[in-house]
Amino acid sequence: QVQLQESGPGLVKPSQTLSLTCTVSGDSIRSGFFYWNWIRQPAGKGLEWIGRFFASGSANYNPSLKSRVTISLDASKNQFSLKLSSVTAADAAVYYCARSVVAAMDYWGQGTLVTVSS
Amino acid sequence: QSVLTQPPSASGTPGQRVTISCSGSGSNIGSNFVYWYQQLPGTAPKLLISRNNQRPSGVPDRFSGSNSGTSASLAISGLRSEDEADYYCAAWDDSLGGSRVVFGGGTKLTVL
Repeated sequence: QVQLQESGPGLVKPSQTLSLTCTVSGDSIRSGFFYWNWIRQPAGKGLEWIGRFFASGSANYNPSLKSRVTISLDASKNQFSLKLSSVTAADAAVYYCARSVVAAMDYWGQGTLVTVSS
Repeated sequence: QSVLTQPPSASGTPGQRVTISCSGSGSNIGSNFVYWYQQLPGTAPKLLISRNNQRPSGVPDRFSGSNSGTSASLAISGLRSEDEADYYCAAWDDSLGGSRVVFGGGTKLTVL
């Protein structure tokens, strides 16, 4: 049974960097079969894809966020992480991690709420 | 403004058939597979339809997907109260500005 679990601070100050980690169990992020994604959802709004990382080291980012986003893997801990710099109130959302083949995201974490406030 | 366009709401009575549309362009639906997700209140999205019309294991055959050109549709037959949820379409988008996964704005389905 594949499970993903997001973790990280629930409150980030404006202009600071948001850092989240997704811990994967039941699958190896080094397997090379799947992409590891971050998606977010502002309160009451729709889904926005942030980016994804592949075990080979390649990454794809949403062009609208690319200048502020870094996704990386820690294979030793079977985790992958998200860093989003220079956050504003517009970055407040529930952040999800998910496993995918292309855009077929078959396993999701439960989501973690991030608030941006001083 | 979402890249893929969905109606904000849809409704039906138990047992009815309901369809939800998703409109895109040649850089997404017109050239890549469409995926559908179901999001029950307070939960993470769930993959409902993969590669235009394939149901992952465990998804009832009441759910079906189709697409034509730059549009796609999700059909739910034999509507049940537990189908009340938000539904999102998604596709890979190959635009000049950069490739990405794009989602529709979501359709809130109400079972009357």
